[in-house]
Amino acid sequence: EAQVTQNPRYLITVTGKKLTVTCSQNMNHEYMSWYRQDPGLGLRQIYYSMNVEVTDKGDVPEGYKVSRKEKRNFPLILESPSPNQTSLYFCASTSLTSKNTEAFFGQGTRLTVV
Amino acid sequence: KNEVEQSPQNLTAQEGEFITINCSYSVGISALHWLQQHPGGGIVSLFMLSSGKKKHGRLIATINIQEKHSSLHITASHPRDSAVYICAVQEGGADGLTFGKGTHLIIQP
Repeated sequence: EAQVTQNPRYLITVTGKKLTVTCSQNMNHEYMSWYRQDPGLGLRQIYYSMNVEVTDKGDVPEGYKVSRKEKRNFPLILESPSPNQTSLYFCASTSLTSKNTEAFFGQGTRLTVV
Repeated sequence: KNEVEQSPQNLTAQEGEFITINCSYSVGISALHWLQQHPGGGIVSLFMLSSGKKKHGRLIATINIQEKHSSLHITASHPRDSAVYICAVQEGGADGLTFGKGTHLIIQP
Protein backbone atom coordinates (compact mmCIF):
# COMPACT_ATOMS: atom_id res chain seq x y z
CA GLU A 1 0.00 0.00 0.00
CA ALA A 2 1.30 3.43 -0.98
CA GLN A 3 1.87 5.47 2.14
CA VAL A 4 3.80 8.09 4.03
CA THR A 5 4.62 7.06 7.59
CA GLN A 6 5.41 9.55 10.32
CA ASN A 7 6.57 8.80 13.85
CA PRO A 8 5.73 9.52 16.54
CA ARG A 9 2.05 10.47 16.29
CA TYR A 10 2.12 12.34 19.58
CA LEU A 11 5.07 13.84 21.44
CA ILE A 12 5.35 16.00 24.54
CA THR A 13 8.81 17.34 25.26
CA VAL A 14 10.56 20.06 27.22
CA THR A 15 12.15 23.23 25.91
CA GLY A 16 15.66 22.65 24.58
CA LYS A 17 15.57 18.86 24.34
CA LYS A 18 16.53 17.82 20.81
CA LEU A 19 14.00 15.69 18.98
CA THR A 20 13.53 14.07 15.59
CA VAL A 21 10.29 13.30 13.80
CA THR A 22 10.75 10.61 11.19
CA CYS A 23 9.07 10.43 7.79
CA SER A 24 9.29 7.57 5.34
CA GLN A 25 7.57 6.95 1.98
CA ASN A 26 7.41 3.75 -0.08
CA MET A 27 6.51 5.23 -3.48
CA ASN A 28 9.99 6.22 -4.69
CA HIS A 29 8.87 9.86 -4.75
CA GLU A 30 11.49 12.47 -5.43
CA TYR A 31 9.76 15.35 -3.64
CA MET A 32 9.22 15.36 0.11
CA SER A 33 8.23 18.21 2.37
CA TRP A 34 7.33 19.14 5.92
CA TYR A 35 4.43 21.36 6.92
CA ARG A 36 3.12 22.66 10.20
CA GLN A 37 -0.54 23.37 10.82
CA ASP A 38 -1.66 26.00 13.31
CA PRO A 39 -5.15 27.30 14.12
CA GLY A 40 -6.03 30.31 12.00
CA LEU A 41 -2.84 30.00 9.93
CA GLY A 42 -3.48 26.79 8.04
CA LEU A 43 -0.66 24.63 6.70
CA ARG A 44 2.72 26.23 6.06
CA GLN A 45 5.80 24.69 4.49
CA ILE A 46 8.88 24.27 6.69
CA TYR A 47 11.41 22.55 4.41
CA TYR A 48 11.32 20.56 1.23
CA SER A 49 13.58 18.21 -0.72
CA MET A 50 13.58 17.55 -4.44
CA ASN A 51 15.86 14.53 -4.22
CA VAL A 52 18.60 12.88 -2.20
CA GLU A 53 20.99 15.44 -0.67
CA VAL A 54 18.88 18.34 -2.06
CA THR A 55 16.96 20.31 0.56
CA ASP A 56 15.68 23.88 0.74
CA LYS A 57 13.83 26.20 3.06
CA GLY A 58 10.10 26.70 2.88
CA ASP A 59 8.16 29.56 4.39
CA VAL A 60 8.84 28.92 8.09
CA PRO A 61 12.23 27.14 8.42
CA GLU A 62 13.52 28.84 11.59
CA GLY A 63 14.29 26.38 14.37
CA TYR A 64 14.17 23.30 12.14
CA LYS A 65 16.64 21.14 10.25
CA VAL A 66 16.13 18.34 7.77
CA SER A 67 18.23 15.78 5.97
CA ARG A 68 17.72 13.59 2.90
CA LYS A 69 20.37 10.90 2.93
CA GLU A 70 18.07 8.32 1.35
CA LYS A 71 15.21 8.81 -1.07
CA ARG A 72 12.60 7.26 1.19
CA ASN A 73 13.41 9.13 4.44
CA PHE A 74 13.10 12.80 5.31
CA PRO A 75 13.45 13.40 9.06
CA LEU A 76 12.57 16.71 10.71
CA ILE A 77 14.98 17.75 13.45
CA LEU A 78 14.33 20.28 16.20
CA GLU A 79 17.74 20.94 17.77
CA SER A 80 16.39 23.09 20.60
CA PRO A 81 12.59 23.04 20.64
CA SER A 82 10.68 26.02 21.98
CA PRO A 83 7.01 26.38 22.97
CA ASN A 84 6.22 28.25 19.73
CA GLN A 85 7.00 25.04 17.87
CA THR A 86 4.01 23.37 19.49
CA SER A 87 1.99 22.41 16.44
CA LEU A 88 0.62 19.63 14.24
CA TYR A 89 3.24 18.51 11.72
CA PHE A 90 2.72 16.75 8.41
CA CYS A 91 5.15 15.14 6.07
CA ALA A 92 4.14 14.80 2.41
CA SER A 93 5.58 13.31 -0.74
CA THR A 94 4.87 13.48 -4.45
CA SER A 95 6.46 12.43 -7.69
CA LEU A 96 8.26 14.97 -9.85
CA THR A 97 8.46 12.67 -12.87
CA SER A 98 4.83 11.60 -13.21
CA LYS A 99 2.13 13.96 -14.41
CA ASN A 100 -1.15 14.20 -12.54
CA THR A 101 0.26 12.76 -9.38
CA GLU A 102 -1.42 13.48 -6.08
CA ALA A 103 0.30 14.45 -2.86
CA PHE A 104 0.46 11.82 -0.12
CA PHE A 105 0.45 12.94 3.50
CA GLY A 106 1.59 11.25 6.67
CA GLN A 107 -0.80 10.80 9.58
CA GLY A 108 0.51 13.85 11.38
CA THR A 109 2.60 14.37 14.52
CA ARG A 110 1.12 16.44 17.31
CA LEU A 111 4.03 18.04 19.14
CA THR A 112 3.75 19.89 22.44
CA VAL A 113 6.78 21.73 23.82
CA VAL A 114 6.48 22.76 27.47
CA LYS B 1 3.49 34.44 -3.26
CA ASN B 2 0.17 32.90 -4.15
CA GLU B 3 -2.78 33.98 -2.04
CA VAL B 4 -5.30 31.17 -1.69
CA GLU B 5 -8.76 32.08 -0.45
CA GLN B 6 -11.47 29.60 0.41
CA SER B 7 -15.13 30.21 1.05
CA PRO B 8 -17.07 29.64 3.10
CA GLN B 9 -14.89 29.17 6.19
CA ASN B 10 -17.64 27.23 7.95
CA LEU B 11 -20.65 25.45 6.49
CA THR B 12 -23.39 23.51 8.23
CA ALA B 13 -25.93 21.71 6.06
CA GLN B 14 -28.55 18.99 6.28
CA GLU B 15 -27.99 15.49 5.02
CA GLY B 16 -28.79 15.23 1.31
CA GLU B 17 -27.97 18.83 0.44
CA PHE B 18 -25.74 19.78 -2.48
CA ILE B 19 -22.54 21.37 -1.15
CA THR B 20 -20.20 23.79 -2.90
CA ILE B 21 -16.85 24.97 -1.56
CA ASN B 22 -14.93 27.61 -3.48
CA CYS B 23 -11.23 28.33 -3.87
CA SER B 24 -9.57 31.25 -5.62
CA TYR B 25 -5.88 32.00 -6.04
CA SER B 26 -3.88 34.97 -7.19
CA VAL B 27 -1.01 33.62 -9.32
CA GLY B 28 -1.04 31.14 -12.20
CA ILE B 29 -0.53 27.53 -11.16
CA SER B 30 0.43 24.16 -12.58
CA ALA B 31 -1.94 22.18 -10.35
CA LEU B 32 -4.60 22.54 -7.68
CA HIS B 33 -5.27 19.98 -4.99
CA TRP B 34 -8.38 19.37 -2.93
CA LEU B 35 -7.64 17.71 0.40
CA GLN B 36 -9.85 16.34 3.16
CA GLN B 37 -8.90 16.41 6.84
CA HIS B 38 -11.00 14.44 9.29
CA PRO B 39 -11.25 15.24 13.02
CA GLY B 40 -8.52 12.68 13.73
CA GLY B 41 -6.17 14.98 11.84
CA GLY B 42 -5.05 12.88 8.88
CA ILE B 43 -5.04 14.50 5.44
CA VAL B 44 -6.23 12.67 2.35
CA SER B 45 -5.88 13.86 -1.21
CA LEU B 46 -9.24 13.98 -3.00
CA PHE B 47 -8.30 15.47 -6.36
CA MET B 48 -5.45 16.98 -8.28
CA LEU B 49 -6.54 19.22 -11.16
CA SER B 50 -4.73 21.15 -13.82
CA SER B 51 -7.77 21.81 -16.02
CA GLY B 52 -11.43 20.96 -16.49
CA LYS B 53 -13.34 18.70 -14.18
CA LYS B 54 -12.89 15.47 -12.23
CA LYS B 55 -15.48 13.25 -10.55
CA HIS B 56 -15.08 10.58 -7.91
CA GLY B 57 -18.25 9.10 -6.49
CA ARG B 58 -20.30 11.95 -5.03
CA LEU B 59 -17.44 14.44 -5.27
CA ILE B 60 -16.86 16.71 -8.25
CA ALA B 61 -14.03 19.19 -8.64
CA THR B 62 -13.80 21.86 -11.32
CA ILE B 63 -11.19 24.43 -12.18
CA ASN B 64 -11.26 27.56 -14.34
CA ILE B 65 -7.67 28.47 -15.09
CA GLN B 66 -8.52 31.84 -16.67
CA GLU B 67 -10.54 32.93 -13.65
CA LYS B 68 -8.11 31.36 -11.16
CA HIS B 69 -10.97 29.61 -9.41
CA SER B 70 -11.90 26.08 -8.41
CA SER B 71 -14.96 24.53 -6.81
CA LEU B 72 -15.51 21.31 -4.91
CA HIS B 73 -19.04 19.94 -5.00
CA ILE B 74 -20.55 17.19 -2.87
CA THR B 75 -23.82 15.69 -4.07
CA ALA B 76 -26.25 13.94 -1.69
CA SER B 77 -24.17 14.97 1.32
CA HIS B 78 -23.88 12.60 4.27
CA PRO B 79 -22.75 13.07 7.89
CA ARG B 80 -19.57 11.13 7.09
CA ASP B 81 -18.63 13.97 4.72
CA SER B 82 -18.14 16.19 7.79
CA ALA B 83 -14.51 17.28 7.68
CA VAL B 84 -12.24 20.19 6.85
CA TYR B 85 -11.73 20.61 3.11
CA ILE B 86 -8.51 22.29 2.08
CA CYS B 87 -7.57 23.77 -1.28
CA ALA B 88 -3.85 23.84 -2.13
CA VAL B 89 -2.09 25.20 -5.22
CA GLN B 90 1.23 24.36 -6.81
CA GLU B 91 2.83 27.00 -9.00
CA GLY B 92 5.42 24.85 -10.72
CA GLY B 93 5.98 21.12 -10.95
CA ALA B 94 8.74 21.25 -8.36
CA ASP B 95 7.10 23.78 -6.05
CA GLY B 96 5.58 23.09 -2.68
CA LEU B 97 1.93 23.58 -1.92
CA THR B 98 0.34 26.83 -0.77
CA PHE B 99 -2.77 26.13 1.23
CA GLY B 100 -6.07 27.83 1.84
CA LYS B 101 -7.19 27.98 5.45
CA GLY B 102 -9.81 25.31 4.93
CA THR B 103 -13.58 25.00 5.01
CA HIS B 104 -15.06 23.32 8.06
CA LEU B 105 -18.07 21.34 6.85
CA ILE B 106 -20.67 19.78 9.15
CA ILE B 107 -23.46 17.66 7.70
CA GLN B 108 -26.29 17.12 10.15
CA PRO B 109 -28.49 14.00 9.95
